[in-house]
Amino acid sequence: EDQVTQSPEALRLQEGESSSLNCSYTVSGLRGLFWYRQDPGKGPEFLFTLYSAGEEKEKERLKATLTKKESFLHITAPKPEDSATYLCAVQFYGGATNKLIFGTGTLLAVQP
Amino acid sequence: DGGITQSPKYLFRKEGQNVTLSCEQNLNHDAMYWYRQDPGQGLRLIYYSQIVNDFQKGDIAEGYSVSREKKESFPLTVTSAQKNPTAFYLCASSIRVGEQYFGPGTRLTVT
Repeated sequence: EDQVTQSPEALRLQEGESSSLNCSYTVSGLRGLFWYRQDPGKGPEFLFTLYSAGEEKEKERLKATLTKKESFLHITAPKPEDSATYLCAVQFYGGATNKLIFGTGTLLAVQP
Repeated sequence: DGGITQSPKYLFRKEGQNVTLSCEQNLNHDAMYWYRQDPGQGLRLIYYSQIVNDFQKGDIAEGYSVSREKKESFPLTVTSAQKNPTAFYLCASSIRVGEQYFGPGTRLTVT
């Protein structure tokens, strides 16, 4: 069964303390992996698309990387405004390719 | 400004009543989606539509219905057959499947 697992469920960092979030997947064939940010009570906001192992994308303090089994979202010197839930989603080949499978997210809290 | 809107933000209904959630987009996207989000669970796909007058069931379609009569609009009806309708409902649209633009969501409470 195709699955997406995110870890940790929650992460508390001090401002400036860098860390990484993990998204692992078991799939028959990965078509794309996507990262979103969700603030409390709001809809998710698209961040990155990754298509192949070795690919990296960056935006401000965030960098997303992809291997054959997992993706990491690295957060460098985070600020309190980076606090949010970060969601990972994957699109698979085969079956219903026109939909995403979402992980349950990592709730990130950055304290000043 | 281009975007996707959902209304209302909060909705309260009595058990046994059908309720319709609105979703409108002016991004000129062909594809639209409805998700349900519950605490501790990932977004689960209810229905999606790739083109006007066509839609497909997602993973949890039972107790829900949709229509897609216009490109801009994709309303979701939560029927009395949905056993646990209280949730946060999110609508999205996209050109590419992975890059979806989400609305602000509707929080439905059924008592």
